[in-house]
Amino acid sequence: KNQVEQSPQSLIILEGKNCTLQCNYTVSPFSNLRWYKQDTGRGPVSLTIMTFSENTKSNGRYTATLDADTKQSSLHITASQLSDSASYICVVGSGGGTSYGKLTFGQGTILTVHP
Amino acid sequence: DAGVTQSPTHLIKTRGQQVTLRCSPKSGHDTVSWYQQALGQGPQFIFQYYEEEERQRGNFPDRFSGHQFPNYSSELNVNALLLGDSALYLCASSLEPGLGEAFFGQGTRLTVV
Repeated sequence: KNQVEQSPQSLIILEGKNCTLQCNYTVSPFSNLRWYKQDTGRGPVSLTIMTFSENTKSNGRYTATLDADTKQSSLHITASQLSDSASYICVVGSGGGTSYGKLTFGQGTILTVHP
Repeated sequence: DAGVTQSPTHLIKTRGQQVTLRCSPKSGHDTVSWYQQALGQGPQFIFQYYEEEERQRGNFPDRFSGHQFPNYSSELNVNALLLGDSALYLCASSLEPGLGEAFFGQGTRLTVV
């Protein structure tokens, strides 16, 4: 069964600090891995998308890494801001067969940034 | 470009009723996927439409059905509503199934009472 597991479930940090979120997946065949930011009651917004051959991608203060061998990814947030408070969701895209194009979502990590 | 738009934004229905949710994909996108997100959970895949056909489906009962129109817009229909159907329903569009960037709408918050 395709699964995406994220840790921690929730995280509280002070404004200006860095943090790292983790994602482990068992999706097969693998096509790509995405990180989304979702504000409460809103649709997810894409932060990064990485294919099998990419091991790091940055988007401003967000840097995602991918280790396709160990099936792990991380999202590092630098110099956090209050507006970073949201749920961060790891999403893995399936690469072939009957599941081609299907996205499997993790449960998300709820990040709270305090002043 | 209006991006992905969903309607309505909020909806309250009674158990046993039927509901139709609508989604207009981002301009140029031909693939629409629907997701159900319960409070505090990640989105769960319902089904995906491409070329007006349901290409794949998640673990949802037949009470959940959909349609894609020639202009690529899509509807999600849910019959015989249950209290457990209360959730945020998200629509995502992409240029081609799976590989391209997926853009999400703001969602429709369905409450079943």
